[in-house]
Amino acid sequence: DGGITQSPKYLFRKEGQNVTLSCEQNLNHDAMYWYRQDPGQGLRLIYYSQIVNDFQKGDIAEGYSVSREKKESFPLTVTSAQKNPTAFYLCASSIEVGGAGTQYFGPGTRLLVL
Amino acid sequence: KQEVTQIPAALSVPEGENLVLNCSFTDSAIYNLQWFRQDPGKGLTSLLLIQSSQREQTSGRLNASLDKSSGRSTLYIAASQPGDSATYLCAVSRGSYIPTFGRGTSLIVHP
Repeated sequence: DGGITQSPKYLFRKEGQNVTLSCEQNLNHDAMYWYRQDPGQGLRLIYYSQIVNDFQKGDIAEGYSVSREKKESFPLTVTSAQKNPTAFYLCASSIEVGGAGTQYFGPGTRLLVL
Repeated sequence: KQEVTQIPAALSVPEGENLVLNCSFTDSAIYNLQWFRQDPGKGLTSLLLIQSSQREQTSGRLNASLDKSSGRSTLYIAASQPGDSATYLCAVSRGSYIPTFGRGTSLIVHP
């Protein structure tokens, strides 16, 4: 089955701790994205990647970091610099950035602060 | 900068009603428009994708229309069912740019 997987489903972070959210896709897509979703605010773009070893900041990149060492994987690290990390995080992929193709989304990771 | 607005923000209807969700965008130079469904605590599922050259797309009880010149799209749901209860989001793409999302319409269909 082709698709996007995210893990874990729930993640708890302590003060000052860095945590990493996993995103894997087997759709052979070049583009991958990370969004943050807060109640009533819609989706906000954190980072995106058009190709392996390349990524760009989105609208709210501060306090987050990413890597794209493999086409299939685009992990997101929430650093201690992100002071309000509690949110629902969604990973997505598409054949290319923009263009005519649809975006496919993973099931999401809910991050909570202890 | 593209802005996408969805009206209404929330909607509650009895089962069986036909309903219309609205999406408007400020920049008509779009490549495509996509409607998504999101169930609580879940990811987004693509419902319909309309290319800029198209006027509408249909899938089952869903019909989405696109009027680029007026910057509007509507999602029509026929004979609504409780299982249609979810949040519906529209997203607009322009060339190589990242899609811009609306905040969604939260729909409740009660028996």
